[in-house]
Amino acid sequence: KAGVTQTPRYLIKTRGQQVTLSCSPISGHRSVSWYQQTPGQGLQFLFEYFSETQRNKGNFPGRFSGRQFSNSRSEMNVSTLELGDSALYLCASSLGASGEGRQYFGPGTRLTVT
Amino acid sequence: AQSVSQHNHHVILSEAASLELGCNYSYGGTVNLFWYVQYPGQHLQLLLKYFSGDPLVKGIKGFEAEFIKSKFSFNLRKPSVQWSDTAEYFCAVNRASGNTPLVFGKGTRLSVIA
Repeated sequence: KAGVTQTPRYLIKTRGQQVTLSCSPISGHRSVSWYQQTPGQGLQFLFEYFSETQRNKGNFPGRFSGRQFSNSRSEMNVSTLELGDSALYLCASSLGASGEGRQYFGPGTRLTVT
Repeated sequence: AQSVSQHNHHVILSEAASLELGCNYSYGGTVNLFWYVQYPGQHLQLLLKYFSGDPLVKGIKGFEAEFIKSKFSFNLRKPSVQWSDTAEYFCAVNRASGNTPLVFGKGTRLSVIA
């Protein structure tokens, strides 16, 4: 079975721009969670989607949004980028809801905002 | 709000030394507990998890963790580390009920030297 894939792997954007990141979960997995990983803050939960519905949301501003499609693929969008948005964005998928069991992580998208 | 503390930011050990990484959480109810590991250049992966039952859980690669409810702790241990254990280790917790997302600690970087 293929693992969780994320595209693109690296991205450089300018302040004020917007960006869309994509995540394809493991086949059959219905839950997709997004995390922001930075050296200072570690992993911080952004949101979780389950069967196309946002199930949980972390403490991030409204510039961060996401969605999930009927095939469970998910996208995350960040509008009006700020320098502080530079981070590794990780996607994780699981069979059921994220908190019920094991999550499988993708390699991440490294976003640099200049 | 839940929080997870990993007190050691960076641990350096010689091969064959014993390892104990601390993890404390701040939620008083029933919790699920996890340890994830991120080897250099690899994805985050699950080491072990505790949901209920025997508080001493065994994971992959000889790791184990003990849940001590009275101390709100879930420390990770390994009797004899190897160079290949060099990685970053993350403790995570969520409420056992209510499908809440995982809250991660900031991670402990382990460097094992020959």
